[in-house]
Amino acid sequence: EDQVTQSPEALRLQEGESSSLNCSYTVSGLRGLFWYRQDPGKGPEFLFTLYSAGEEKEKERLKATLTKKESFLHITAPKPEDSATYLCAVQAVQGAQKLVFGQGTRLTINP
Amino acid sequence: EAGVTQSPTHLIKTRGQQATLRCSPISGHTSVYWYQQALGLGLQFLLWYDEGEERNRGNFPPRFSGRQFPNYSSELNVNALELEDSALYLCASSLWRQETQYFGPGTRLLVL
Repeated sequence: EDQVTQSPEALRLQEGESSSLNCSYTVSGLRGLFWYRQDPGKGPEFLFTLYSAGEEKEKERLKATLTKKESFLHITAPKPEDSATYLCAVQAVQGAQKLVFGQGTRLTINP
Repeated sequence: EAGVTQSPTHLIKTRGQQATLRCSPISGHTSVYWYQQALGLGLQFLLWYDEGEERNRGNFPPRFSGRQFPNYSSELNVNALELEDSALYLCASSLWRQETQYFGPGTRLLVL
């Protein structure tokens, strides 16, 4: 069964303090790995899609990387507005479009 | 460009009633997905509609059903509501069978 585990569950940083979020996955043939950001009471906002090991994508202070077993979301010099829950999901080749989500990492950036 | 829209934003029902949730995909998107986000359980895949047909279903009972209309909008119906159906119901859409799914703001369903 496809599984996604995210760590840590919660992370509190000071503004400007860089860190990384981890997403470990097991999937029977990876079609894509996705990162989303979710603010309280709202729908997930798409950030990145990664398809193969070694791939990297960047957007402002965020950079996502992918290996055969895990993905990292690196946050450089974060600001308070980066506070949110970050969700990782995988889609299997044989998964008929289903996204399997991790439980998320709740990130808080203190000013 | 308008994103995925959902209505209503909030819905309060009592046990045993039926709930109907609606979703309009991003213009040009033809695949629609439904997910349930219950407290402490994370996002769980419910249904996938494409070309007016149900293409995949998650591990949910048959009282969760829906349909997709010719304009690609979709409706999720939940019959015989139970307390544990209280959750945020999220709709997502994608270009025809493309990987990346874009989510709407959700409908918060509360069952009393």
